[in-house]
Amino acid sequence: AQKITQTQPGMFVQEKEAVTLDCTYDTSDPSYGLFWYKQPSSGEMIFLIYQGSYDQQNATEGRYSLNFQKARKSANLVISASQLGDSAMYFCAMREAYRDDKIIFGKGTRLHILP
Amino acid sequence: NAGVTQTPKFQVLKTGQSMTLQCAQDMNHEYMSWYRQDPGMGLRLIHYSVGAGITDQGEVPNGYNVSRSTTEDFPLRLLSAAPSQTSVYFCASSYSPGGGAFFGQGTRLTVV
Repeated sequence: AQKITQTQPGMFVQEKEAVTLDCTYDTSDPSYGLFWYKQPSSGEMIFLIYQGSYDQQNATEGRYSLNFQKARKSANLVISASQLGDSAMYFCAMREAYRDDKIIFGKGTRLHILP
Repeated sequence: NAGVTQTPKFQVLKTGQSMTLQCAQDMNHEYMSWYRQDPGMGLRLIHYSVGAGITDQGEVPNGYNVSRSTTEDFPLRLLSAAPSQTSVYFCASSYSPGGGAFFGQGTRLTVV
């Protein structure tokens, strides 16, 4: 069974609008971390944001925020005021600390920002 | 300020050849891992290590071998290359447990 599910293979959003990229996860480990990465067309993997399972507040990094809903097992990435440079592939990932500490990824969402 | 260094960046192999993808990190990270990225499949974990002398299989380990003799290095060996191993390979490292991973630049491998 998939542990990380990203249901949106692709999205088109107008520049300056806010964007929400969906991610749901499955774990029974009480201690885990959730991450988002950006992969632009150049191919490198860029770490965006991290949320720990025990963190009380949603993580924020500049225009990025992670909408963490623990009971629903969702960790959606919100990008405020999108820019053309936000066009990229976005991956959600999870790490289960007690289980085996490996990091696994979802299949990704390709985001296109329209001028 | 090297971070995670992967070599080579590009490689073409013939079916049946063997080769080693190199990965080195200078951040004293315990955790290192190898992923392959294929269109529509995201990043799939091949092998990972939580410290020198410790390795474990990920989701797609067949056809690949790893060892971790030092904290810094985590090479990935293709034993007998097959066209199905044509992919982009990423090495990543992080502290263990927890924390986000830093990635190398990737290796684009083509097996003909």
